[in-house]
Amino acid sequence: EAGVAQSPRYKIIEKRQSVAFWCNPISGHATLYWYQQILGQGPKLLIQFQNNGVVDDSQLPKDRFSAERLKGVDSTLKIQPAKLEDSAVYLCASSLARAYYNEQFFGPGTRLTVL
Amino acid sequence: AQTVTQSQPEMSVQEAETVTLSCTYDTSESNYYLFWYKQPPSRQMILVIRQEAYKQQNATENRFSVNFQKAAKSFSLKISDSQLGDTAMYFCASGHSGGTSYGKLTFGQGTILTVHP
Repeated sequence: EAGVAQSPRYKIIEKRQSVAFWCNPISGHATLYWYQQILGQGPKLLIQFQNNGVVDDSQLPKDRFSAERLKGVDSTLKIQPAKLEDSAVYLCASSLARAYYNEQFFGPGTRLTVL
Repeated sequence: AQTVTQSQPEMSVQEAETVTLSCTYDTSESNYYLFWYKQPPSRQMILVIRQEAYKQQNATENRFSVNFQKAAKSFSLKISDSQLGDTAMYFCASGHSGGTSYGKLTFGQGTILTVHP
């Protein structure tokens, strides 16, 4: 079974530029999560999708971050414009269904550096 | 709001020895799950073990076991017979069972574990 795929793995941009990350979850997984992991900290949830609908985006800085999950499969996370404090690893995860007891499967992450 | 605290930034252990990683949490939810995830260097985060709050029996997965103290809101991870491949960052997390955050994981700050040969 293929795992969660993310691209790119690394990205370096200047502040005020825009950037996009892509995630392909495990086939059949209805729930998709985007986390931000700042160096030395635990991951923090940015947004949660159930199929192609947003169910929790309370921690997403909506003035600069946006995300979509077209057709309930792949997802993209965009930052525009980027700030220095956006430097972090962006993790995508998926689970079979939206449940507090379900295992979440994580991708390798995209390491973003904003200069 | 849920909080998860890991007070040990770094731990080390000799190969074949036993080590315990600490975690405390706070939640207002009556039902919840607790998790330990492992993030090896430059590799993907994977689930190590999980515990349902209503179960009194501590979860065990091979060399990994937990000590769940519900009243103290403590959830420690014990690794027996440590192996070099156990070297990783370990995260304690709680799963939200209510409201719009249903299904969300709240993570602690992590503990870097190094296993020495």
